[in-house]
Amino acid sequence: AQSVAQPEDQVNVAEGNPLTVKCTYSVSGNPYLFWYVQYPNRGLQFLLKYITGDNLVKGSYGFEAEFNKSQTSFHLKKPSALVSDSALYFCAVRDMATSGTYKYIFGTGTRLKVLA
Amino acid sequence: EPEVTQTPSHQVTQMGQEVILRCVPISNHLYFYWYRQILGQKVEFLVSFYNNEISEKSEIFDDQFSVERPDGSNFTLKIRSTKLEDSAMYFCASSLSWEGTQYFGPGTRLLVL
Repeated sequence: AQSVAQPEDQVNVAEGNPLTVKCTYSVSGNPYLFWYVQYPNRGLQFLLKYITGDNLVKGSYGFEAEFNKSQTSFHLKKPSALVSDSALYFCAVRDMATSGTYKYIFGTGTRLKVLA
Repeated sequence: EPEVTQTPSHQVTQMGQEVILRCVPISNHLYFYWYRQILGQKVEFLVSFYNNEISEKSEIFDDQFSVERPDGSNFTLKIRSTKLEDSAMYFCASSLSWEGTQYFGPGTRLLVL
């Protein structure tokens, strides 16, 4: 079965510093990977996805993610963190259901705290 | 930018009562989903829906749950007789195609007392 793991419950980073939120995956076949962000009292907002192609994927709000097949990782990065980036970040992998449709399998989430 | 909307944002109900959670997916999307997130836990898939029928459901989605698309815009999740353990944030999502990115709504926080 497809799965993702987010090894860190919380990541603290100073404003202006680069940030990394880690995600590793376990899939059979080609991985389809996603990052979502959840701000307080808001839904899951799509940030970016990896389907195929370039290993560096650019997404919303200046975020990017690096797909590394040998390390089975899909870490989320941003060169310069903002206080407003503080939120809960979820990594997800697409899993095909028996019906042929897809469902997403989410990680446990990583809380990012950017300190002023 | 079009987005998925959900109502209500919060719902408090008594155990055993029926609740209906409502969602308006993105207007040209054809595939619809419900997920839930129990407090402090990961987001879990409940059900997917296409062409007016359930495509896939998880083991969580038992006979107490049902989904419906009563008209051309709404997509509802009904819990027939709520239990304490149904307390969670429920997210609706939609996608344009079977392989398209799923876009999520803001969620409905359900509290069963």
